[in-house]
Amino acid sequence: ETGVTQTPRHLVMGMTNKKSLKCEQHLGHNAMYWYKQSAKKPLELMFVYNFKEQTENNSVPSRFSPECPNSSHLFLHLHTLQPEDSALYLCASSQFKLGTGELFFGEGSRLTVL
Amino acid sequence: SQQGEEDPQALSIQEGENATMNCSYKTSINNLQWYRQNSGRGLVHLILIRSNEREKHSGRLRVTLDTSKKSSSLLITASRAADTASYFCATDDQTGANNLFFGTGTRLTVIP
Repeated sequence: ETGVTQTPRHLVMGMTNKKSLKCEQHLGHNAMYWYKQSAKKPLELMFVYNFKEQTENNSVPSRFSPECPNSSHLFLHLHTLQPEDSALYLCASSQFKLGTGELFFGEGSRLTVL
Repeated sequence: SQQGEEDPQALSIQEGENATMNCSYKTSINNLQWYRQNSGRGLVHLILIRSNEREKHSGRLRVTLDTSKKSSSLLITASRAADTASYFCATDDQTGANNLFFGTGTRLTVIP
């Protein structure tokens, strides 16, 4: 138990579906992240939120839409995805400071797009 | 981009042996971190070394950093079967933002 909870753990969706991934952290952190992990590729940093404000969008397609309603919750809304979007989506949190400290990761949401 | 690159991609050793993994990166950093990931799970932080440090220890882990070569190594001594996992290095980009970039990882298998 890392203090970062992701739901659902597994998700199968068609290309026309709309679904959302949820992340909640119980660590009192003020920064939250979405990463994408595909086989044989580096982890891709997708989005960063500091104090609920988005500070990084790493050229992510608009079919991925993040939402951070407060410092403890982070969502990733999915719409009209492609099969190549199938991956493990990892949420993380940290205490923001100059430079980057330790990230605490959730267990991930395994997404399969048919 | 600043993503690190681990070497080797895969490593298989006998229990009790030492395991060494290397990481290279491209641009200047504030710090470098190592993480571990069991199959299909989230990443777990192992150790952080700052750019003004050259070596750091934590239990059976030893990390070195050579900023002139933009490289780091992770040594796991007296390996155990439970050390079987993927190991990733991660670097920031020295912009002051808290963006952390990972490589593809080294898959370590420790044979009992």
